[in-house]
Amino acid sequence: GAVVSQHPSRVICKSGTSVKIECRSLDFQATTMFWYRQFPKQSLMLMATSNEGSKATYEQGVEKDKFLINHASLTLSTLTVTSAHPEDSSFYICSATSLGRVGGYTFGSGTRLTVV
Amino acid sequence: DAKTTQPPSMDCAEGRAANLPCNHSTISGNEYVYWYRQIHSQGPQYIIHGLKNNETNEMASLIITEDRKSSTLILPHATLRDTAVYYCIVNRGGSEKLVFGKGTKLTVNP
Repeated sequence: GAVVSQHPSRVICKSGTSVKIECRSLDFQATTMFWYRQFPKQSLMLMATSNEGSKATYEQGVEKDKFLINHASLTLSTLTVTSAHPEDSSFYICSATSLGRVGGYTFGSGTRLTVV
Repeated sequence: DAKTTQPPSMDCAEGRAANLPCNHSTISGNEYVYWYRQIHSQGPQYIIHGLKNNETNEMASLIITEDRKSSTLILPHATLRDTAVYYCIVNRGGSEKLVFGKGTKLTVNP
């Protein structure tokens, strides 16, 4: 079945630094990838949608200069949290799908970001 | 905003069937009903989806009412590992974004 690998699973960084999270589709070409964040006891909140080779589309209220998304290939998308602050601490999750695919989207296992 | 309504929580005894309801009264003709679940601190897992007909796979069954305004996910023999938050989502498929509501927290008790 379709597999999406997300790394790292956990990361702790200092306030003011940047953190990059990778999302890879291992056995299919992901034409579209999505990035979510999830705070404790809350549901997933969509941050942005990225199509391979195009600029990401950000949801309202998500700062595009703070959350940089790159989807340069059909198997890799990255999310960079720039100048991270403690309020950016959250669970970040990616998902991927491809055009014409039947069935559900595949999700990564998530990245727990803690900014200290 | 999510276009579905689900009860916030449900309990089920291990070995029994778990029936999780979902209301989607504003569903469009070309929208599917998808079900995902999220076990604590993991990414969501796809379970099943359907358009009009009832569907069954190795994980669950999906019953969609004739008017398509509601559906029920059935886990025929719930186990402790089925304890998770279950999300019902309507979506046109393809590459359309998934919008998650609050879901139903299912607790399977021994």
